[in-house]
Amino acid sequence: GENVEQHPSTLSVQEGDSAVIKCTYSDSASNYFPWYKQELGKRPQLIIDIRSNVGEKKDQRIAVTLNKTAKHFSLHITETQPEDSAVYFCAAKGQNFVFGPGTRLSVLP
Amino acid sequence: NAGVTQTPKFRVLKTGQSMTLLCAQDMNHEYMYWYRQDPGMGLRLIHYSVGEGTTAKGEVPDGYNVSRLKKQNFLLGLESAAPSQTSVYFCASTGDVLNTEAFFGQGTRLTVV
Repeated sequence: GENVEQHPSTLSVQEGDSAVIKCTYSDSASNYFPWYKQELGKRPQLIIDIRSNVGEKKDQRIAVTLNKTAKHFSLHITETQPEDSAVYFCAAKGQNFVFGPGTRLSVLP
Repeated sequence: NAGVTQTPKFRVLKTGQSMTLLCAQDMNHEYMYWYRQDPGMGLRLIHYSVGEGTTAKGEVPDGYNVSRLKKQNFLLGLESAAPSQTSVYFCASTGDVLNTEAFFGQGTRLTVV
């Protein structure tokens, strides 16, 4: 089955700096790669996604890149703000929907 | 516009007791999933369903059973609860076999003592 790895597990950045989280997946049949943000005690919420026929997608301060050949994709957050502090999960969807272990991002004021 | 609703939100069980968690979605979604989330860990897939009447095992299925008798409902059963099943359980649904957003329920916090 699909296996998704995610790095780093924790990340601290200064407010205004950029943050990058990287994921790899194993199943070449996976064709949809979303990123979720989870605040403490709440359900995961989609922040951006990318499909297998696209290499990059951007939405304001958030961007995602996908390298299908290498089976890895990354989340980039620019101009980080304290409210970006949360746990971020990548996921890969083919037949099933598998999540990475998460990255705890802390944005320091 | 409820989306995905989980019942109950909280539950405490004694070891050996059984219970069923209900996930209901009103978006006519084909795919439904049950995950567990433990402290410091991600969302681990327990079981999933690709349509009414179908179920399949995820990465951590032992100790759980599921049923999808109606398209809108996906039930997760614990036949004999164990302390290792103490966790937060999330249900999610997606629209089709391709690539659509997963909508999550609000979670069920289960404690087995």
